[in-house]
Amino acid sequence: GDSVTQMEGPVTLSEEAFLTINCTYTATGYPSLFWYVQYPGEGLQLLLKATKADDKGSNKGFEATYRKETTSFHLEKGSVQVSDSAVYFCALSDLGGTSYGKLTFGQGTILTVHP
Amino acid sequence: GAGVSQSPSNKVTEKGKDVELRCDPISGHTALYWYRQSLGQGLEFLIYFQGNSAPDKSGLPSDRFSAERTGGSVSTLTIQRTQQEDSAVYLCASSPKASLGFSYEQYFGPGTRLTVT
Repeated sequence: GDSVTQMEGPVTLSEEAFLTINCTYTATGYPSLFWYVQYPGEGLQLLLKATKADDKGSNKGFEATYRKETTSFHLEKGSVQVSDSAVYFCALSDLGGTSYGKLTFGQGTILTVHP
Repeated sequence: GAGVSQSPSNKVTEKGKDVELRCDPISGHTALYWYRQSLGQGLEFLIYFQGNSAPDKSGLPSDRFSAERTGGSVSTLTIQRTQQEDSAVYLCASSPKASLGFSYEQYFGPGTRLTVT
């Protein structure tokens, strides 16, 4: 079945540091890939997405490129801010078979950014 | 506009009791999903509704779990004879629609934190 593996956290960085959160996936069909973010006390929000190989999703300075050859979708940001402190989830939606868009999530990575 | 809302935000119940969790999706969204977020299992899919029907119930963990949706809007997730392993945050998400072979953005509610004592 489908699965998503994220690098384990927690990740602690200083403000303006470079961020990478690794994500790899296994899927039987043709997945779309997502990064969701959960800020403290808030619900899950879509951060970015990519729907086909070599697509780059970007939002709020975050980027991730859909790499089919390495089955990866790593999240990067060049300069993190304290306000980026949150839990980040990599997810896929397998568009093949009988999927109606249900999401399969990674385990989540807690990011803490210090001033 | 109004987002997805869920109630209650917190629920503490005794083992063996039944609980009902409610989800109000974004108006006009025909697709509705329930997920569960627990320490041991992470974020897991439970059930998907298209309108009032549920073509995918594959994530429901046992027959103690059921869900319905009425009027193509509000959904209720019911857990009968709750167990301690049911303790989790139950998330609801809605989407404008869903179809085979295409993925639409899902909008999540704040969740209901269920604690079974």
